[in-house]
Amino acid sequence: DADVTQTPRNRITKTGKRIMLECSQTKGHDRMYWYRQDPGLGLQLIYYSFDVKDINKGEISDGYSVSRQAQAKFSLSLESAIPNQTALYFCATSDLVGPGELFFGEGSRLTVL
Amino acid sequence: GQQLNQSPQSMFIQEGEDVSMNCTSSSIFNTWLWYKQDPGEGPVLLIALYKAGELTSNGRLTAQFGITRKDSFLNISASIPSDVGIYFCAGLQGYNYGQNFVFGPGTRLSVLP
Repeated sequence: DADVTQTPRNRITKTGKRIMLECSQTKGHDRMYWYRQDPGLGLQLIYYSFDVKDINKGEISDGYSVSRQAQAKFSLSLESAIPNQTALYFCATSDLVGPGELFFGEGSRLTVL
Repeated sequence: GQQLNQSPQSMFIQEGEDVSMNCTSSSIFNTWLWYKQDPGEGPVLLIALYKAGELTSNGRLTAQFGITRKDSFLNISASIPSDVGIYFCAGLQGYNYGQNFVFGPGTRLSVLP
Protein backbone atom coordinates (compact mmCIF):
# COMPACT_ATOMS: atom_id res chain seq x y z
CA ASP A 1 0.00 0.00 0.00
CA ALA A 2 1.13 3.53 -0.75
CA ASP A 3 2.48 5.60 2.13
CA VAL A 4 0.54 8.64 0.87
CA THR A 5 -2.93 7.82 -0.39
CA GLN A 6 -5.19 10.15 -2.32
CA THR A 7 -8.88 9.76 -3.09
CA PRO A 8 -10.44 9.97 -5.55
CA ARG A 9 -7.82 9.21 -8.21
CA ASN A 10 -10.02 10.61 -10.94
CA ARG A 11 -13.02 12.91 -10.81
CA ILE A 12 -15.09 14.66 -13.42
CA THR A 13 -17.41 17.37 -12.20
CA LYS A 14 -19.33 20.38 -13.40
CA THR A 15 -18.71 24.07 -12.92
CA GLY A 16 -20.03 25.31 -9.59
CA LYS A 17 -19.90 21.97 -7.79
CA ARG A 18 -18.09 21.50 -4.49
CA ILE A 19 -15.29 18.98 -4.62
CA MET A 20 -13.17 17.46 -1.88
CA LEU A 21 -9.91 15.64 -2.44
CA GLU A 22 -8.64 13.61 0.46
CA CYS A 23 -5.15 12.61 1.49
CA SER A 24 -3.99 10.24 4.19
CA GLN A 25 -0.47 9.17 5.08
CA THR A 26 1.15 6.42 7.07
CA LYS A 27 4.65 7.92 7.12
CA GLY A 28 4.09 9.62 10.46
CA HIS A 29 5.16 12.97 9.01
CA ASP A 30 4.01 16.22 10.55
CA ARG A 31 4.06 18.27 7.37
CA MET A 32 1.55 17.89 4.58
CA TYR A 33 1.11 19.79 1.33
CA TRP A 34 -1.23 20.12 -1.61
CA TYR A 35 0.26 20.83 -5.02
CA ARG A 36 -1.24 21.40 -8.43
CA GLN A 37 0.40 20.21 -11.62
CA ASP A 38 -0.37 21.66 -15.04
CA PRO A 39 1.31 20.54 -18.28
CA GLY A 40 4.63 22.31 -18.87
CA LEU A 41 4.71 23.90 -15.44
CA GLY A 42 6.44 22.96 -12.24
CA LEU A 43 4.37 21.89 -9.28
CA GLN A 44 2.67 24.83 -7.62
CA LEU A 45 1.93 24.92 -3.91
CA ILE A 46 -1.72 25.45 -2.95
CA TYR A 47 -1.68 25.00 0.85
CA TYR A 48 0.56 23.45 3.44
CA SER A 49 0.28 22.42 7.06
CA PHE A 50 3.10 21.87 9.54
CA ASP A 51 0.88 20.31 12.18
CA VAL A 52 -2.79 19.80 12.99
CA LYS A 53 -3.31 23.39 14.16
CA ASP A 54 -1.27 25.00 11.42
CA ILE A 55 -2.60 25.92 7.96
CA ASN A 56 -0.77 28.15 5.50
CA LYS A 57 -1.55 29.47 2.06
CA GLY A 58 0.73 28.64 -0.80
CA GLU A 59 1.28 30.53 -4.01
CA ILE A 60 -2.06 29.65 -5.64
CA SER A 61 -4.58 29.29 -2.79
CA ASP A 62 -7.42 31.34 -4.29
CA GLY A 63 -10.47 29.17 -4.92
CA TYR A 64 -9.23 26.40 -2.60
CA SER A 65 -9.54 25.59 1.09
CA VAL A 66 -8.06 22.85 3.24
CA SER A 67 -8.70 21.00 6.45
CA ARG A 68 -6.15 19.12 8.57
CA GLN A 69 -8.37 16.65 10.38
CA ALA A 70 -5.55 14.72 12.02
CA GLN A 71 -1.80 14.33 11.72
CA ALA A 72 -2.38 11.76 9.00
CA LYS A 73 -5.19 13.46 7.08
CA PHE A 74 -5.23 16.60 4.96
CA SER A 75 -8.09 17.39 2.58
CA LEU A 76 -8.39 19.94 -0.20
CA SER A 77 -11.72 21.49 -1.15
CA LEU A 78 -12.85 23.43 -4.17
CA GLU A 79 -15.91 25.30 -2.95
CA SER A 80 -17.21 26.12 -6.42
CA ALA A 81 -15.19 24.39 -9.11
CA ILE A 82 -14.32 26.21 -12.33
CA PRO A 83 -12.83 24.81 -15.55
CA ASN A 84 -9.37 26.33 -15.03
CA GLN A 85 -9.07 24.21 -11.90
CA THR A 86 -8.82 21.19 -14.17
CA ALA A 87 -5.43 19.75 -13.24
CA LEU A 88 -3.57 16.95 -11.53
CA TYR A 89 -3.43 17.45 -7.76
CA PHE A 90 -0.80 15.94 -5.50
CA CYS A 91 -0.63 15.57 -1.78
CA ALA A 92 2.85 15.36 -0.28
CA THR A 93 4.41 14.90 3.14
CA SER A 94 7.73 15.69 4.74
CA ASP A 95 9.24 15.16 8.13
CA LEU A 96 9.58 17.96 10.69
CA VAL A 97 13.25 17.27 11.03
CA GLY A 98 15.69 15.84 8.58
CA PRO A 99 17.03 16.89 5.20
CA GLY A 100 13.77 18.00 3.66
CA GLU A 101 12.55 15.31 1.31
CA LEU A 102 9.04 15.41 -0.10
CA PHE A 103 7.04 12.23 -0.59
CA PHE A 104 4.11 12.36 -2.98
CA GLY A 105 0.81 10.58 -3.31
CA GLU A 106 -0.30 9.07 -6.59
CA GLY A 107 -2.31 12.10 -7.62
CA SER A 108 -5.95 13.04 -8.17
CA ARG A 109 -6.91 14.03 -11.68
CA LEU A 110 -9.75 16.54 -11.62
CA THR A 111 -11.68 17.63 -14.67
CA VAL A 112 -14.15 20.50 -14.38
CA LEU A 113 -16.58 20.79 -17.27
CA GLY B 1 6.08 32.04 -8.13
CA GLN B 2 9.68 31.04 -8.47
CA GLN B 3 10.40 28.15 -10.80
CA LEU B 4 13.48 26.23 -11.77
CA ASN B 5 14.64 25.84 -15.35
CA GLN B 6 15.18 22.40 -16.76
CA SER B 7 16.79 21.37 -20.00
CA PRO B 8 16.17 19.77 -22.28
CA GLN B 9 12.37 19.95 -22.18
CA SER B 10 12.19 16.59 -23.91
CA MET B 11 14.52 14.07 -25.41
CA PHE B 12 14.33 10.97 -27.53
CA ILE B 13 17.14 8.49 -27.18
CA GLN B 14 17.97 4.97 -28.24
CA GLU B 15 17.94 2.20 -25.70
CA GLY B 16 21.43 1.80 -24.27
CA GLU B 17 22.40 5.44 -24.64
CA ASP B 18 23.40 7.67 -21.76
CA VAL B 19 21.23 10.66 -20.81
CA SER B 20 22.13 14.00 -19.27
CA MET B 21 19.78 16.68 -18.04
CA ASN B 22 20.14 19.71 -15.84
CA CYS B 23 18.29 22.06 -13.59
CA THR B 24 19.26 25.70 -13.09
CA SER B 25 18.20 28.66 -11.05
CA SER B 26 19.21 32.23 -10.32
CA SER B 27 18.89 31.47 -6.61
CA ILE B 28 20.95 29.37 -4.23
CA PHE B 29 19.51 26.14 -2.83
CA ASN B 30 20.55 24.02 0.14
CA THR B 31 19.03 20.79 -1.11
CA TRP B 32 18.37 19.41 -4.58
CA LEU B 33 15.97 16.58 -5.21
CA TRP B 34 15.42 14.61 -8.40
CA TYR B 35 12.10 12.88 -9.06
CA LYS B 36 10.70 10.62 -11.76
CA GLN B 37 7.03 10.69 -12.65
CA ASP B 38 5.37 7.95 -14.66
CA PRO B 39 2.14 8.75 -16.54
CA GLY B 40 -0.79 8.96 -14.15
CA GLU B 41 1.38 8.43 -11.10
CA GLY B 42 2.90 10.53 -8.39
CA PRO B 43 6.54 11.65 -8.44
CA VAL B 44 8.98 9.21 -6.92
CA LEU B 45 12.16 10.47 -5.28
CA LEU B 46 15.28 9.22 -7.07
CA ILE B 47 18.17 11.09 -5.50
CA ALA B 48 18.60 13.76 -2.84
CA LEU B 49 21.66 16.04 -2.66
CA TYR B 50 22.58 18.08 0.41
CA LYS B 51 26.00 19.62 -0.18
CA ALA B 52 27.60 21.67 -2.93
CA GLY B 53 29.73 19.49 -5.15
CA GLU B 54 28.13 16.29 -3.88
CA LEU B 55 27.92 13.45 -6.38
CA THR B 56 25.43 10.70 -5.54
CA SER B 57 24.46 7.55 -7.41
CA ASN B 58 21.40 5.35 -7.32
CA GLY B 59 21.96 2.40 -9.63
CA ARG B 60 22.34 3.74 -13.16
CA LEU B 61 21.45 7.25 -12.02
CA THR B 62 24.01 9.80 -10.91
CA ALA B 63 23.22 13.31 -9.76
CA GLN B 64 25.43 16.21 -8.79
CA PHE B 65 24.87 19.28 -6.65
CA GLY B 66 26.47 22.16 -8.53
CA ILE B 67 29.37 24.01 -6.94
CA THR B 68 27.58 27.35 -7.27
CA ARG B 69 24.52 25.81 -5.50
CA LYS B 70 22.41 27.22 -8.33
CA ASP B 71 22.25 24.07 -10.43
CA SER B 72 22.10 20.31 -10.41
CA PHE B 73 22.62 17.57 -12.97
CA LEU B 74 21.18 14.12 -13.51
CA ASN B 75 22.75 11.43 -15.65
CA ILE B 76 21.26 8.09 -16.60
CA SER B 77 23.59 5.48 -17.99
CA ALA B 78 22.66 2.69 -20.41
CA SER B 79 19.01 3.71 -20.70
CA ILE B 80 16.28 1.06 -20.78
CA PRO B 81 12.60 1.31 -21.78
CA SER B 82 11.38 1.67 -18.21
CA ASP B 83 13.36 4.91 -17.90
CA VAL B 84 10.60 6.58 -19.91
CA GLY B 85 8.86 9.30 -17.92
CA ILE B 86 9.19 12.85 -16.75
CA TYR B 87 12.16 13.77 -14.61
CA PHE B 88 11.94 16.88 -12.56
CA CYS B 89 14.09 18.64 -10.05
CA ALA B 90 13.15 20.37 -6.85
CA GLY B 91 15.18 22.76 -4.77
CA LEU B 92 14.86 23.60 -1.11
CA GLN B 93 16.09 26.98 0.04
CA GLY B 94 15.68 26.62 3.76
CA TYR B 95 16.03 23.80 6.22
CA ASN B 96 12.69 22.52 7.49
CA TYR B 97 10.77 25.15 5.59
CA GLY B 98 8.51 23.13 3.36
CA GLN B 99 6.98 26.08 1.65
CA ASN B 100 10.28 26.81 -0.02
CA PHE B 101 10.35 23.74 -2.24
CA VAL B 102 10.65 25.01 -5.82
CA PHE B 103 10.11 22.77 -8.83
CA GLY B 104 11.24 22.58 -12.41
CA PRO B 105 8.77 21.85 -15.24
CA GLY B 106 10.42 18.54 -16.02
CA THR B 107 12.33 16.78 -18.78
CA ARG B 108 10.27 14.26 -20.72
CA LEU B 109 12.38 11.24 -21.65
CA SER B 110 11.44 8.82 -24.41
CA VAL B 111 13.51 5.69 -25.01
CA LEU B 112 13.33 4.10 -28.42
CA PRO B 113 13.96 0.35 -28.66
